[in-house]
Amino acid sequence: KAGVTQTPRYLIKTRGQQVTLSCSPISGHRSVSWYQQTPGQGLQFLFEYFSETQRNKGNFPGRFSGRQFSNSRSEMNVSTLELGDSALYLCASSFRANTEAFFGQGTRLTVV
Amino acid sequence: KNEVEQSPQNLTAQEGEFITINCSYSVGISALHWLQQHPGGGIVSLFMLSSGKKKHGRLIATINIQEKHSSLHITASHPRDSAVYICAATFGNEKLTFGTGTRLTIIP
Repeated sequence: KAGVTQTPRYLIKTRGQQVTLSCSPISGHRSVSWYQQTPGQGLQFLFEYFSETQRNKGNFPGRFSGRQFSNSRSEMNVSTLELGDSALYLCASSFRANTEAFFGQGTRLTVV
Repeated sequence: KNEVEQSPQNLTAQEGEFITINCSYSVGISALHWLQQHPGGGIVSLFMLSSGKKKHGRLIATINIQEKHSSLHITASHPRDSAVYICAATFGNEKLTFGTGTRLTIIP
């Protein structure tokens, strides 16, 4: 059974650009959550999608957005990148809310 | 406010020692998760529990609902156990709230 796949693994962008990250959940999982990890703030919840609907959102500015497709794959987008957006972005999938979450390897975004 | 606190922040031990990492949370939760993160970033879910105790190999996780406290124990620690261990809680709003992590180093 394939795990959670995140692409790309590494990304370098310039301030002001936008970026799209992708997450393919484990087959059969309908819930996908996104997290940001930085040395200063640790792991923080970004948003959660279930069956193409955003169910929860963390305390991040509107520059951070996401969506989920009918096949449960999810994307997150960050517009007008800032240096502080440099982080490891992790996604996790689960069968439904409050069940065990399986994490991807993450996308390491560097904004220069 | 939903908060999760972990201790210690850093822990260094000799191979073979019994390891305990602690986690406390502020209010009632629906589930408590223990996660392991190795250098490179990937996170592995070790346990998800809402009551009692779970065991997997040399790892044991316990939770005391009344005291709002959970512990992760590693028996017969090994250098390959060196990683960051993260406690996370699912509160009523179903968002995962994370502790700051415990960096464990096991010396051969």
